[in-house]
Amino acid sequence: GNSVTQMEGPVTLSEEAFLTINCTYTATGYPSLFWYVQYPGEGLQLLLKATKADDKGSNKGFEATYRKETTSFHLEKGSVQVSDSAVYFCALIGGTGNTPLVFGKGTRLSVIA
Amino acid sequence: EPEVTQTPSHQVTQMGQEVILRCVPISNHLYFYWYRQILGQKVEFLVSFYNNEISEKSEIFDDQFSVERPDGSNFTLKIRSTKLEDSAMYFCASSEDLTGGVEQFFGPGTRLTVL
Repeated sequence: GNSVTQMEGPVTLSEEAFLTINCTYTATGYPSLFWYVQYPGEGLQLLLKATKADDKGSNKGFEATYRKETTSFHLEKGSVQVSDSAVYFCALIGGTGNTPLVFGKGTRLSVIA
Repeated sequence: EPEVTQTPSHQVTQMGQEVILRCVPISNHLYFYWYRQILGQKVEFLVSFYNNEISEKSEIFDDQFSVERPDGSNFTLKIRSTKLEDSAMYFCASSEDLTGGVEQFFGPGTRLTVL
């Protein structure tokens, strides 16, 4: 079945540091890939998405590129801020296009000033 | 901006009791979902709902669970006889379309604690 594996947290970075959160997936067909973010006390919000190979999703300075050859969708940001502290979830919707989201375990990011 | 809302934010119940978790999806959305996250574990799909019926459910969604859209706005998840292992954060979500790539909008979650 479909699955998502993301790096274990927590990740603690200083402000303006470079962020990478690794995400790899297993899926049949051509899944759509997502990063969701959960700020403290809030629900899951879509951060970015990519629907086909080599697509790059980007939002709020975050980027992730859909790499079919390595089945990866790593999240990156060049310079993190304290306000980026949250839990980040990698997720996919399977290749059939009408299956539920499959999530990774989530990675907690703490950014300190 | 329209959003998915959930009530209550935190529910504490005794084992064996029935609980109903409530959600108000975004008004023009047609597809509704429940997910749950046991502390420290993955967010897991429970059930999807469209046109007043379940369209897909996971192995977790056994006979103790049911969903209902009792009126034009609410979408509820009922757990008939709660178990300790039902303690989790329950997320409701809605989307305009089931097509892959279309965003599912999530509510803030209800934390269920079963004692």
